[in-house]
Amino acid sequence: GAVVSQHPSWVICKSGTSVKIECRSLDFQATTMFWYRQFPKQSLMLMATSNEGSKATYEQGVEKDKFLINHASLTLSTLTVTSAHPEDSSFYICSARTLLAGEISEQFFGPGTRLTVL
Amino acid sequence: GQNIDQPTEMTATEGAIVQINCTYQTSGFNGLFWYQQHAGEAPTFLSYNVLDGLEEKGRFSSFLSRSKGYSYLLLKELQMKDSASYLCAVMDSNYQLIWGAGTKLIIKP
Repeated sequence: GAVVSQHPSWVICKSGTSVKIECRSLDFQATTMFWYRQFPKQSLMLMATSNEGSKATYEQGVEKDKFLINHASLTLSTLTVTSAHPEDSSFYICSARTLLAGEISEQFFGPGTRLTVL
Repeated sequence: GQNIDQPTEMTATEGAIVQINCTYQTSGFNGLFWYQQHAGEAPTFLSYNVLDGLEEKGRFSSFLSRSKGYSYLLLKELQMKDSASYLCAVMDSNYQLIWGAGTKLIIKP
């Protein structure tokens, strides 16, 4: 299957700082990338959907000014957690998909980034 | 509203068979996915069903009944490494994945 990478795999930061997480599709062009957050023992929570070259669509309750998403190319999307606080500590996972007319593509997941805010 | 239901936790014995059920109510249907997720890792794709019936892939099989809004994942010859969470997800009419909360499967020797 296709490969999606995420960097960094884990990060510890101080409260009030910003953290950028990169998501790359390594061997395919992703028309759509998704950012999820997962708290311990809970399911995936979709934060936002981004299509290359356009603004991200955020799910209800997700602050777009706090979680900045940029999908500048078909292989790269970034999530920046601005002014991070301890409650933002979570497992952030990106996934990528190519959606062609008449085809349903599976979503390929990155390995995730564990963010701990002190 | 959209809803995916699956059991929270199941326990099975190594070498046995286990069936994990998933029922769904979504706005539109473009297929149902099963993913496996080990603790601390991202989900990995297991199967995709869009037509009614059984799809077999090695030790894993997935079944779909669209009229009943029902699917199951069948795991045979269970191995200890199968201990994980199994996520059911439905792609709705907007091609968005709606996720279930996941079923934690515990395998005992």
